[in-house]
Amino acid sequence: DQQVKQNSPSLSVQEGRISILNCDYTNSMFDYFLWYKKYPAEGPTFLISISSIKDKNEDGRFTVFLNKSAKHLSLHIVPSQPGDSAVYFCAATNTGTASKLTFGTGTRLQVTL
Amino acid sequence: NAGVTQTPKFQVLKTGQSMTLQCAQDMNHNSMYWYRQDPGMGLRLIYYSASEGTTDKGEVPNGYNVSRLNKREFSLRLESAAPSQTSVYFCASSEVRNTEAFFGQGTRLTVV
Repeated sequence: DQQVKQNSPSLSVQEGRISILNCDYTNSMFDYFLWYKKYPAEGPTFLISISSIKDKNEDGRFTVFLNKSAKHLSLHIVPSQPGDSAVYFCAATNTGTASKLTFGTGTRLQVTL
Repeated sequence: NAGVTQTPKFQVLKTGQSMTLQCAQDMNHNSMYWYRQDPGMGLRLIYYSASEGTTDKGEVPNGYNVSRLNKREFSLRLESAAPSQTSVYFCASSEVRNTEAFFGQGTRLTVV
């Protein structure tokens, strides 16, 4: 039972344009959400997070939007750069229970010149 | 700062062999985790340790054991390796429960 879903395995975007990566979750107990970025042969690195008490969090070129009623979050990257090409994982957790992250299957973003 | 260090980076085992994956963090984090990454499956939690002296099963614990040796170190043991355990293994740590986790570079394990 996949509680965190990233339905797009891959995405290709031109440099300078907006990249939008989507994530859906089914567990209503999740109250904290994170995005990780992963390059080949490296471990995932934290990118940005959002608490369920917010609907938007922004950090430079990266913005995460949360729609609790739809159980949906998205990561916007504006403008996209070639160095953003990586696999992006969405993750979720419940801050009141055990300390563990549930990850989605990832979306491979390719930013083309 | 080294962050989270995993050893080895690569390993090939024969079916039935045993081995231990080592992980150490130098960030004074309380919580540590072991994940495996398989194509199309994302990262799945094997075991975690919320604090020194405690360990709990994650989503896919079968065939693995863990030891939280001290606050810095969290090892993962395969007692009798199986081809289904071919994967990339990641260790991670976090400061308090449920905040961002920092990952090691991974161990690529192949069981033949």
